[in-house]
Amino acid sequence: QSVLTQPPSASGTPGQRVTISCSLSSSNIGNDYVFWYQQLPGTAPKLLIYRNNQRPSGVPDRFSGSKSDTSASLAISGLRSEDEADYHCAAWDDSLSGWVFGGGTKLTVL
Amino acid sequence: QVQLQQSGPGLLKPSQTLSLTCAISGDSVSSNSAAWNWIRQSPSRGLEWLGRTYYRSKWYNDYAVSLKSRITINPDTSKNQFSLQLNSVTPEDTAIYYCTQGSNWFDPWGLGTLVTVSS
Repeated sequence: QSVLTQPPSASGTPGQRVTISCSLSSSNIGNDYVFWYQQLPGTAPKLLIYRNNQRPSGVPDRFSGSKSDTSASLAISGLRSEDEADYHCAAWDDSLSGWVFGGGTKLTVL
Repeated sequence: QVQLQQSGPGLLKPSQTLSLTCAISGDSVSSNSAAWNWIRQSPSRGLEWLGRTYYRSKWYNDYAVSLKSRITINPDTSKNQFSLQLNSVTPEDTAIYYCTQGSNWFDPWGLGTLVTVSS
């Protein structure tokens, strides 16, 4: 069971806006930052969002992140077929003194 | 641009030791600002951070609590690489193993090595 909780699946049609949630646990709820990784089929994860809402160079501005006290969200606007992937949230966990991940959300573009 | 090249065997028997290496190009394993991590992924456990090594005037290691008794991550400054050793493997250790750079986040990642533990 993952420390961070994500829905196992999400879906949308091309052009739609979809959001993926990541619920924090009591041991990492106080952390300032959540990170998001995109994993295209058959490939390694790739950094998508860092420090809640920052995009690395090359990541389209269709991808955005936000964070509240108890959860974080990844939003994808103008959904495209190439966005079909698994999305993972991550955070540092103070009680474990290590990094923890959500279980991943499989995004299907219908 | 940092690139990570993984190597190591993909098939082990229970009780053997898993050994993987990650060769670094574009940065130094001894960098004072980087950390070098191992992460694995399996269908049952998802992504799981295993541990890291990093240099801040001396070498440090951090390991996942669940693996602390079985895991060692070592830097090799002569070859600019770092390694993962996991002792006494069981079928539960079957996963894709990734090396990745990152103190504050993970970027880039190696391509991954599928390690299967089976008798």
